[in-house]
Amino acid sequence: DQQVKQNSPSLSVQEGRISILNCDYTNSMFDYFLWYKKYPAEGPTFLISISSIKDKNEDGRFTVFLNKSAKHLSLHIVPSQPGDSAVYFCAASAVRGKLIFGQGTELSVKP
Amino acid sequence: NAGVTQTPKFRVLKTGQSMTLLCAQDMNHEYMYWYRQDPGMGLRLIHYSVGEGTTAKGEVPDGYNVSRLKKQNFLLGLESAAPSQTSVYFCASSYRQGLGREGYNEQFFGPGTRLTVL
Repeated sequence: DQQVKQNSPSLSVQEGRISILNCDYTNSMFDYFLWYKKYPAEGPTFLISISSIKDKNEDGRFTVFLNKSAKHLSLHIVPSQPGDSAVYFCAASAVRGKLIFGQGTELSVKP
Repeated sequence: NAGVTQTPKFRVLKTGQSMTLLCAQDMNHEYMYWYRQDPGMGLRLIHYSVGEGTTAKGEVPDGYNVSRLKKQNFLLGLESAAPSQTSVYFCASSYRQGLGREGYNEQFFGPGTRLTVL
């Protein structure tokens, strides 16, 4: 049973446009959601997080939106840059110390 | 400050062989984790530790054992490797996770170990 799902394996956008990466979850007990970015042959790196008591968190070009009623979160990157090309994982936490990851979405930003 | 390091970076095993993956962190983190990444599956938690001398099972613990004898090290063992354990293994560490709405302490990941079991 996949508790965190990223239904789009890949996404391609033009440089300067908005990238929107989506994530759905099933467990209403999740209280924190995180996005990680992963380049090839490297470990994931933390990007941005959001608490379940908020509906938006912004950090520079990155904004995460949380819709609890729909059990959906999204990551917006504006404007997208070629260096943003990577695999993005969403993750959720219900039990302290344990993250459940989605399958990942590979973002390609074309110049 | 090296962060999280993993040894080895690559390894090829034959079915039935054993090996140990070593993870080390120099950030004085209390929590450490072992994940595996497989195509289309994301990262799945194998085992984790909330402190020296303690370990707990994650989502996919079967076929693996772990030990946390020192705070800075977390070892992942495969006693009898199987082709299904071919994967990329990531170690991570974090500060102690608080309770309630204290925020979430991010996990810092190592560069990974690519393991192939023939």
